[in-house]
Amino acid sequence: GDSVTQMEGPVTLSEEACLTINCTYTATGYPSLFWYVQYPGEGLQLLLKATKADDKGSNKGFEATYRKETTSFHLEKGSVQVSDSAVYFCALSEIADSWGKLQFGAGTQVVVTP
Amino acid sequence: ETGVTQSPTHLIKTRGQQVTLRCSSQSGHNTVSWYQQALGQGPQFIFQYYREEENGRGNFPPRFSGLQFPNYSSELNVNALELDDSALYLCASSRPTGLAKNIQYFGAGTRLSVL
Repeated sequence: GDSVTQMEGPVTLSEEACLTINCTYTATGYPSLFWYVQYPGEGLQLLLKATKADDKGSNKGFEATYRKETTSFHLEKGSVQVSDSAVYFCALSEIADSWGKLQFGAGTQVVVTP
Repeated sequence: ETGVTQSPTHLIKTRGQQVTLRCSSQSGHNTVSWYQQALGQGPQFIFQYYREEENGRGNFPPRFSGLQFPNYSSELNVNALELDDSALYLCASSRPTGLAKNIQYFGAGTRLSVL
């Protein structure tokens, strides 16, 4: 079945450092890929998405590129802020499933210190 | 803010009891999905409702059931609660058409503790 694997956290960074969170996936078809963010005590917010190979999703300084050849969708940000402290989830939704049901990774906690 | 609202925010139950969680979908969305997020894990898909019918189910036992109403709001019911049911329950709404087709927008969740 489909699955998503993320790097384990917590990832601890100083403000203005570069962030990379690795995400790889296994899917039988051609999924859409997503990054969701969960701030403490809140639900999930969609951060960015990509629907086909070589697409780049971007939002709030975060970027991720859909790499079909390496089945990866790594999240990057060039300069993090304390407000970026959160748990980040990589997820996929199979194209063949036209209803958008999501398969999530386990999440990566990011802690940014001043 | 996504416009998806869930109630209650927190709930404490004892093993064997029954619980009902509620979700109001974002305006214009007719599809509601429910997920269970255990502590330290990613959300797991429970089931989805479209136009008041169940439209797919994850690997959860039948004691997890749901409803969707004509206004597209939804309920998640869990019978015979077990300790392992303690989790954050997330509701997400979406629509199968349009620019944001099938993009799921989440509520803040209901934290259920089973003692």
